[in-house]
Amino acid sequence: AQSVTQPDIHITVSEGASLELRCNYSYGATPYLFWYVQSPGQGLQLLLKYFSGDTLVQGIKGFEAEFKRSQSSFNLRKPSVHWSDAAEYFCAFDTGRRALTFGSGTRLQVQP
Amino acid sequence: DVKVTQSSRYLVKRTGEKVFLECVQDMDHENMFWYRQDPGLGLRLIYFSYDVKMKEKGDIPEGYSVSREKKERFSLILESASTNQTSMYLCASRSGTSGFQETQYFGPGTRLLVL
Repeated sequence: AQSVTQPDIHITVSEGASLELRCNYSYGATPYLFWYVQSPGQGLQLLLKYFSGDTLVQGIKGFEAEFKRSQSSFNLRKPSVHWSDAAEYFCAFDTGRRALTFGSGTRLQVQP
Repeated sequence: DVKVTQSSRYLVKRTGEKVFLECVQDMDHENMFWYRQDPGLGLRLIYFSYDVKMKEKGDIPEGYSVSREKKERFSLILESASTNQTSMYLCASRSGTSGFQETQYFGPGTRLLVL
């Protein structure tokens, strides 16, 4: 079955520390991959997306993600986390049916 | 900037009531979507529409219907609300002109409580 897995429900990091949020997908081919962020009380905002080409993609707010075909992963990273990054992060993919399939989300807490 | 608006941020309804959730986008997008967001489950697709009067069932359509009479407006209808439909409902839209590279834009959500 086609699915997206975010193994970490909740992550806490200190401000200034590096961050990596995990995302694995199950699909027979390479899907289109996305990371969205949802700040408290807000809708979802696109951070970055991957379709093809360079496997390291840059997004907004200093985030980047690396596509690894061999691991079926698309992990999100940030070298230095800011308190304003506290939010819920969703990995998603598109397999051609127009709508996105989302993971269950990872809630990020940032400690001062 | 693309704007997706939803008619209500918070809604409280009684079991058995008919509930309408409205969504409007201002970017002439062909595709519109309704998702439901529950803790630990992420977003799940209820219905989507790829053109006026066209609709397709998503992963959890039971208990819901939709209407798209105009391109900019996509309504989600709960024919007879039940307590298990208490949730956050997110509308989204996406252009269809460039294929699946297009970004999906989300509204702020409607938090529905069914008593």
